[in-house]
Amino acid sequence: GAGVSQTPSNKVTEKGKYVELRCDPISGHTALYWYRQSLGQGPEFLIYFQGTGAADDSGLPNDRFFAVRPEGSVSTLKIQRTERGDSAVYLCASSPQPGTRETQYFGPGTRLLVL
Amino acid sequence: AQSVTQPDIHITVSEGASLELRCNYSYGATPYLFWYVQSPGQGLQLLLKYFSGDTLVQGIKGFEAEFKRSQSSFNLRKPSVHWSDAAEYFCAVGAGAGNKLTFGGGTRVLVKP
Repeated sequence: GAGVSQTPSNKVTEKGKYVELRCDPISGHTALYWYRQSLGQGPEFLIYFQGTGAADDSGLPNDRFFAVRPEGSVSTLKIQRTERGDSAVYLCASSPQPGTRETQYFGPGTRLLVL
Repeated sequence: AQSVTQPDIHITVSEGASLELRCNYSYGATPYLFWYVQSPGQGLQLLLKYFSGDTLVQGIKGFEAEFKRSQSSFNLRKPSVHWSDAAEYFCAVGAGAGNKLTFGGGTRVLVKP
């Protein structure tokens, strides 16, 4: 079946602009995660959703970052007033439900470059 | 808070030789441990996971990992490396009800012919 998809695959923007990154999870997966991977580092947790609600947003770096999942499927990560330090690969993952025994399936990521 | 350390940033190994990647974790409770592989242009793929029970875990692509609580380690091994194993490998610990993952910095594996 189809895996996790993310669009766009690459996004180039200018400092100060607003961007939206989209994630389509595996159909039927109730848990959805966002991670950020800076160059040469491992992914870092940003936020996770159980259904439509953000169950844990402790990883969001500041209030310029926001994510939604209005219908419990597709999620959008929104970044306002982008800064050069936001340049990274943004990874989305989904799992059938949250829980320590559930595998998280990752998408290919969106590479964001802020000029 | 949990943390994961992968001491080796790069490892070069000859094709057919054995491979061992080190992972040390810090977590206050029973750890849930994972190894993921990331090939260029590909998403992270789960190799194996440990929750409880047998401390030697078998995964895909011929990989295995051994959980050692006394050493806070979860090292990944493969007896004979293939050129297609060249990739970056990440160890992670899962925590909380939502299983948010904390990753190590990764180890990049290069395979010599």
